[in-house]
Amino acid sequence: EDQVTQSPEALRLQEGESSSLNCSYTVSGLRGLFWYRQDPGKGPEFLFTLYSAGEEKEKERLKATLTKKESFLHITAPKPEDSATYLCAVQAPSGGSYIPTFGRGTSLIVHP
Amino acid sequence: ETGVTQSPTHLIKTRGQQVTLRCSSQSGHNTVSWYQQALGQGPQFIFQYYREEENGRGNFPPRFSGLQFPNYSSELNVNALELDDSALYLCASRMMGDGYTFGSGTRLTVV
Repeated sequence: EDQVTQSPEALRLQEGESSSLNCSYTVSGLRGLFWYRQDPGKGPEFLFTLYSAGEEKEKERLKATLTKKESFLHITAPKPEDSATYLCAVQAPSGGSYIPTFGRGTSLIVHP
Repeated sequence: ETGVTQSPTHLIKTRGQQVTLRCSSQSGHNTVSWYQQALGQGPQFIFQYYREEENGRGNFPPRFSGLQFPNYSSELNVNALELDDSALYLCASRMMGDGYTFGSGTRLTVV
């Protein structure tokens, strides 16, 4: 069974204190790993898609990396507005189509 | 039209009733998927439609069904509601190969 585990469950940082979120996965035939940001009461907002080990993508203070077993979301010098739940999802083949499996997310709070 | 719009935003139903949730996707987004998100959990995949045909289904019973229409709108129908069906229901759409664009969801409460 495909599994996605995110750690830590919750993370509190001071403004400017860089850190990393982890997403480990066990799937057969990965067809993409996605990172999303979700604010309270809203739907997830797409951040990145990674397809192969060694791939990296950046957007403002966020950088996502991928290995064969896990992905990291690095947050450099975070600001309070980066506070949100960060979700990781993997897409793998199932019964002729591609099924996404989400992790439970990491709740990030950045204090000013 | 940009963005994904879901209606209604909140809904209260009684156990055993049926409910229909609606989603209007971005123009050109030929893939739509539906998710159930319980409090404190990640979204759970219900099913996906591509060009009006179901092409993927998660571990949900047949009382969860859906439709996708040519105008990029879609529906999620749930029959015989149970208390555990209370959750945030999310619709997401995309063009093939892109990341999904999510709506803000419908908060369903079953009493």
